[in-house]
Amino acid sequence: ETGVTQSPTHLIKTRGQQVTLRCSSQSGHNTVSWYQQALGQGPQFIFQYYREEENGRGNFPPRFSGLQFPNYSSELNVNALELDDSALYLCASSQGLAGDYEQYFGPGTRLTVT
Amino acid sequence: GEDVEQSLFLSVREGDSSVINCTYTDSSSTYLYWYKQEPGAGLQLLTYIFSNMDMKQDQRLTVLLNKKDKHLSLRIADTQTGDSAIYFCAEPTTDSWGKLQFGAGTQVVVTP
Repeated sequence: ETGVTQSPTHLIKTRGQQVTLRCSSQSGHNTVSWYQQALGQGPQFIFQYYREEENGRGNFPPRFSGLQFPNYSSELNVNALELDDSALYLCASSQGLAGDYEQYFGPGTRLTVT
Repeated sequence: GEDVEQSLFLSVREGDSSVINCTYTDSSSTYLYWYKQEPGAGLQLLTYIFSNMDMKQDQRLTVLLNKKDKHLSLRIADTQTGDSAIYFCAEPTTDSWGKLQFGAGTQVVVTP
């Protein structure tokens, strides 16, 4: 059974640019959540996708957006990058919503904005 | 600030037991989780406990839950150098059912 995978591993972007991060969920999982982890902090919830629909969003501006595809893989898009967007972006998948099912995390994408 | 609170640092000698403490906020949480993060890596689900349980044991790991005080602890028996990592407790929140609320993490350093 393949676990959660994310790409790319590392990324360097310039302020004002746009970025797309990708996540493949674990086999049999229909729910993907995205988290931002700044250095020295715990992960912060960005949003969750359940069966291709956004289902819950954290305190992040609209320039953070996402998609989930029919195979339950997902993308996180960030527009107009700011220096504070530099962080580890984590994707987690589960069989359902986090209140009912455990979430399994991928290795993350390290984004650096200069 | 974080709604889930953890102590930030723990130093333990190899072979001793480690106890990591966490205070959570949402008494209606169905599950409570412990994750481990090694340097430069993602989060590894270590264990979890149902809210209707007081204790769960899984090999070297013991989770204790005190619902009255909203207190969760993780005990690692016979701590090894490979246990050096940051440990996060997390709870799902009812304001957004898919959201996990994490503590700031406890850095555990195991010394020989």
